Amino acid sequence: AAGVIQSPRHLIKEKRETATLKCYPIPRHDTVYWYQQGPGQDPQFLISFYEKMQSDKGSIPDRFSAQQFSDYHSELNMSSLELGDSALYFCASSPGSSYNEQFFGPGTRLTVL
Amino acid sequence: QKEVEQNSGPLSVPEGAIASLNCTYSDRGSQSFFWYRQYSGKSPELIMFIYSNGDKEDGRFTAQLNKASQYVSLLIRDSQPSDSATYLCAWGGSQGNLIFGKGTKLSVKP
Repeated sequence: AAGVIQSPRHLIKEKRETATLKCYPIPRHDTVYWYQQGPGQDPQFLISFYEKMQSDKGSIPDRFSAQQFSDYHSELNMSSLELGDSALYFCASSPGSSYNEQFFGPGTRLTVL
Repeated sequence: QKEVEQNSGPLSVPEGAIASLNCTYSDRGSQSFFWYRQYSGKSPELIMFIYSNGDKEDGRFTAQLNKASQYVSLLIRDSQPSDSATYLCAWGGSQGNLIFGKGTKLSVKP
């Protein structure tokens, strides 16, 4: 079965640079969620989109922005990167049912030097 | 503050034993609960979800939900070394995002 695709899988950036993470949800899933997981931490919700509209916002810094495109893929844009942004970034998709079952992609490991 | 509390462990059980993982939550309005398994450096993998009071079984896994006591648990029967991972409890908020517990690290010893 098709899964969530994320790219790139690994990314190394310098402080103050920008980064763009991409997420391709499972086919026919119309809801996308972004999570950040620091070392030894649980995943923290950043932002979500339903039918290309932002549906909820969590602890996402103002330096980050995201959008969902017409083909339902989503991009997380991160600017003015800081050392503390180093983490695993997961995208999850859901069929948009009220039961919120979310399926996670493999993640992007971002390292900020 | 809506919270999910988990014992971080580590929880160590011998191979073949039953592993019991527990989670409590603070929001009485919570409707849906999820158990994810996460191997180190990998993404969370959905194991079970439960919405109704009682037990839900899937193979070696049983999820139990008690809304009156605000706890949800996961039982793993016939534990295998490959079950060694961090187990994350999560509840689904009204807007769809998941609120995770800190996770319980399970170690199954051969």
